[in-house]
Amino acid sequence: ETGVTQSPTHLIKTRGQQVTLRCSSQSGHNTVSWYQQALGQGPQFIFQYYREEENGRGNFPPRFSGLQFPNYSSELNVNALELDDSALYLCASSLVEGAREQYFGPGTRLTVT
Amino acid sequence: GENVEQHPSTLSVQEGDSAVIKCTYSDSASNYFPWYKQELGKGPQLIIDIRSNVGEKKDQRIAVTLNKTAKHFSLHITETQPEDSAVYFCAASRVYGNKLVFGAGTILRVKS
Repeated sequence: ETGVTQSPTHLIKTRGQQVTLRCSSQSGHNTVSWYQQALGQGPQFIFQYYREEENGRGNFPPRFSGLQFPNYSSELNVNALELDDSALYLCASSLVEGAREQYFGPGTRLTVT
Repeated sequence: GENVEQHPSTLSVQEGDSAVIKCTYSDSASNYFPWYKQELGKGPQLIIDIRSNVGEKKDQRIAVTLNKTAKHFSLHITETQPEDSAVYFCAASRVYGNKLVFGAGTILRVKS
């Protein structure tokens, strides 16, 4: 069984730029959720994707957007980066039926300078 | 709004002792409560979870209890070992499989 993978591992961007982060879900999972984890804090829910559509969204502005592909992998896009966007971005995959536990990937560390 | 408070923020125990971490949630509609362990440089790892129709669940040295009336749930680790040292997060969700609301985390140090 393949776990959740994310790329890249680390990323440094300049304020105002755009970034795309990628996630491959665990084998057999059809749902992907994205979380932002600031240093020393718990993860905060950004949004979830199921069947290539957004299936719930947290309190994040529209410049945070996502995609899910037919193979269930997903991208998180952030436009007009701000210094406060510096964080660990976590992807979690799960099933939408039956056992729905969320399993996390290792994350992408984004630094905005 | 939805909020999960977690205590203590740090916890130091001697190897072999027990550790207890407590969480309180605000959304009475919450019905799923997972616990995650996060080691340095890694993503959170699910260690145990409980749903609202169950008051207690145990898996070897780890147990979770839930009091829906008081909106409290707790993680109990017995016979702690140095490899239990990590940051532990509680979370709550009103829709099983969807948005998790996390606590701020507890840094557990197990001294050998």
